Amino acid sequence: GQNIDQPTEMTATEGAIVQINCTYQTSGFNGLFWYQQHAGEAPTFLSYNVLDGLEEKGRFSSFLSRSKGYSYLLLKELQMKDSASYLCAVRGNTPLVFGKGTRLSVIA
Amino acid sequence: GAVVSQHPSWVICKSGTSVKIECRSLDFQATTMFWYRQFPKQSLMLMATSNEGSKATYEQGVEKDKFLINHASLTLSTLTVTSAHPEDSSFYICSARVTSGRAVYEQYFGPGTRLTVT
Repeated sequence: GQNIDQPTEMTATEGAIVQINCTYQTSGFNGLFWYQQHAGEAPTFLSYNVLDGLEEKGRFSSFLSRSKGYSYLLLKELQMKDSASYLCAVRGNTPLVFGKGTRLSVIA
Repeated sequence: GAVVSQHPSWVICKSGTSVKIECRSLDFQATTMFWYRQFPKQSLMLMATSNEGSKATYEQGVEKDKFLINHASLTLSTLTVTSAHPEDSSFYICSARVTSGRAVYEQYFGPGTRLTVT
């Protein structure tokens, strides 16, 4: 079976750094994705990891440890517009399977 | 990046009627498209995988006779919700996987269709 866990909600302050964790158990592994989704909109692609390590892309970084079945998304210099749901998704031997998402609220 | 469009963006229909949702890849060819459903405050749930020129593969628990999927061309897949009921009210999102010439690991999402069945 496949299982993806991430925290339901997080709150952080504008300008701060926040780390959103994701653990997964899948049949096979062909990459881990992070998506951002604002309410009522479709997800937008943020990052992709298939090898262990850190991928940095501007204010967003994503880390993967395949042996631990663990990833995190790091958001720096938080802005109010970063308030959204962040979805961890894993491609095993099937199409993308999504976690339930972490709703991030950025406060002033 | 690749663009996926959906039409309509929202639809309200009466119980018992059928609704068709179109998903188009605008600047690339997609041999595989995926249909997801998302209920409020829940994550995306894969409904089916649509392959051009062949029958769709449905996930467990998804009625293939109720959710008809047609992928007649490399740029168009349609989802028809037949005999819709209020419990079918949801946000339906399609995505397309890029084929040769681009990074094949990415799925691009359409903007979604909000279906409300009254």
